[in-house]
Amino acid sequence: QQQVKQSPQSLIVQKGGISIINCAYENTAFDYFPWYQQFPGKGPALLIAIRPDVSEKKEGRFTISFNKSAKQFSLHIMDSQPGDSATYFCAACENTGKLIFGQGTTLQVKP
Amino acid sequence: SQTIHQWPATLVQPVGSPLSLECTVEGTSNPNLYWYRQAAGRGLQLLFYSVGIGQISSEVPQNLSASRPQDRQFILSSKKLLLSDSGFYLCAWAPGVSNQPQHFGDGTRLSIL
Repeated sequence: QQQVKQSPQSLIVQKGGISIINCAYENTAFDYFPWYQQFPGKGPALLIAIRPDVSEKKEGRFTISFNKSAKQFSLHIMDSQPGDSATYFCAACENTGKLIFGQGTTLQVKP
Repeated sequence: SQTIHQWPATLVQPVGSPLSLECTVEGTSNPNLYWYRQAAGRGLQLLFYSVGIGQISSEVPQNLSASRPQDRQFILSSKKLLLSDSGFYLCAWAPGVSNQPQHFGDGTRLSIL
């Protein structure tokens, strides 16, 4: 049972454009939503995270938008750069501390 | 600051051989520890997690086992590897309180021949 659905599976964006990745979840008990960035051959690195008591969190060029009623959240990468090319995973945290990951989005930013 | 180490980085093993992958965390105490497997181009599958020494929870029945002999050491093992055990194995740690981010090591690429 896939509890966190992530889309799109892959994304191509021109340099300077906005990259948008969407996630939807089912379990209303999730209360922490991190995004991870993974480069080939490396482990995922925490990028940004949000708790459901806020609707938006911004850190530099990265913004999470959170819609609690729709059970959806998204990552926006402003002014996308070739160095942002990576695989991005959304996740949702259970109260046990376990993370449920989305299937990942491979982002390619063209120069 | 906290750091997590995994080794080896790559490993090629024959079918039927044993396996031992090690993960250690520095700079923190009583962390929660996790083992994940990532198939090529796929998401992360949680295999085991531990909230303390000797405490192991298994998420997926399989050919692997995990142990936590020390507070900051997590070991993934197998007695006899299968072809299907190939993959990218990742260890992660999180503070031992709820809803804290997990931090990953750089993984072990395991190839079974």
